[in-house]
Amino acid sequence: TQLLEQSPQFLSIQEGENLTVYCNSSSVFSSLQWYRQEPGEGPVLLVTVVTGGEVKKLKRLTFQFGDARKDSSLHITAAQPGDTGLYLCAATGGGADGLTFGKGTHLIIQP
Amino acid sequence: ETGVTQTPRHLVMGMTNKKSLKCEQHLGHNAMYWYKQSAKKPLELMFVYNFKEQTENNSVPSRFSPECPNSSHLFLHLHTLQPEDSALYLCASSQDAGPNPTYEQYFGPGTRLTVT
Repeated sequence: TQLLEQSPQFLSIQEGENLTVYCNSSSVFSSLQWYRQEPGEGPVLLVTVVTGGEVKKLKRLTFQFGDARKDSSLHITAAQPGDTGLYLCAATGGGADGLTFGKGTHLIIQP
Repeated sequence: ETGVTQTPRHLVMGMTNKKSLKCEQHLGHNAMYWYKQSAKKPLELMFVYNFKEQTENNSVPSRFSPECPNSSHLFLHLHTLQPEDSALYLCASSQDAGPNPTYEQYFGPGTRLTVT
């Protein structure tokens, strides 16, 4: 069974601060996706990374895929209350047709 | 119109009841999925359908029975559930199924199920 370990599990910071959350595994994946989920809603796809070492930017969010395609990070610059949510990483390529998810990082940005 | 819809949004049922969850996607996708999201556990893949054919059953108990009459609709029939089955059940769709990294999945809002 392939596992995705996300850290930290919970993070509460003030508006304007920077933060990084991590997604790690001992397995190699074909691709990795980051989702954000708000209460009462399904996950919404933020980005897909495919190539080892790849970096993608989405406004204040920077996503990186590790060189060995086993880990990824999400960095948020100048966090805003609207960034609050559950951040999930998910991977493909583990032999299943669906996604393998981590438990997520619960992020709270306080005004 | 939202891409993936699910009904009902909330459901409370007894252990002897029979109910069904419905999912509909308006994205023209060929693959649909059921996931279970419980507290303190990762999202768990339950079933995968590709072109109406079930391609994956992730060791799900038989009290959960999926049905995919066409590529746009997916059902999850529930019977004799247990309290530990209480969770958020999420439906998703993608252009196609398989390990191809371009097959991004789009999720519905989920059905919050409580088994009493």
